[in-house]
Amino acid sequence: DTGVSQDPRHKITKRGQNVTFRCDPISEHNRLYWYRQTLGQGPEFLTYFQNEAQLEKSRLLSDRFSAERPKGSFSTLEIQRTEQGDSAMYLCASSLVSKAGELFFGEGSRLTVL
Amino acid sequence: RKEVEQDPGPFNVPEGATVAFNCTYSNSASQSFFWYRQDCRKEPKLLMSVYSSGNEDGRFTAQLNRASQYISLLIRDSKLSDSATYLCVAYGGSQGNLIFGKGTKLSVKP
Repeated sequence: DTGVSQDPRHKITKRGQNVTFRCDPISEHNRLYWYRQTLGQGPEFLTYFQNEAQLEKSRLLSDRFSAERPKGSFSTLEIQRTEQGDSAMYLCASSLVSKAGELFFGEGSRLTVL
Repeated sequence: RKEVEQDPGPFNVPEGATVAFNCTYSNSASQSFFWYRQDCRKEPKLLMSVYSSGNEDGRFTAQLNRASQYISLLIRDSKLSDSATYLCVAYGGSQGNLIFGKGTKLSVKP
């Protein structure tokens, strides 16, 4: 399967703990996006990379959130000192620069903060 | 004001009906527009791009009105399998990211 893969699919953690999600995009895609989605809402933009460069971060992304894409391939999203409000589905997507609106999403990583 | 706004629905229609969704966007610099489909508890998937001249893909027709800053999606001859949430997306302008609306839920009944 050469689609976008995310790991873990589910994560339950206690408030205050750190969590890290990983995303492996489609191999030839140079753009990688992170979105967050809660029930009844559309995906909410967090950040995106073009190759290894992080080009944009949402104002909603507090300093507890950090994302990396060190070699322009896979990406990680870390949330430090988790809060209950961080509970959501974290979606990763990738695309070609030439087809930037055509995102391919992974199945998501569902975070539950107790 | 949200950047991309949609009527959340739900739209409950019988099989075979024609249904239309509208979406408005606030950033006049947005360059491209798309409709995505999201099934319950699944990831969003691209349904179709929206071209300035309007475009059709089988039973689906998308149109863009830049002057009024709205996008529409028309579904003809609705099928049970069309039941999903339809997400309107704007891309470009001053940002390189894609902005999603909250989605419009469609339920097609037998």
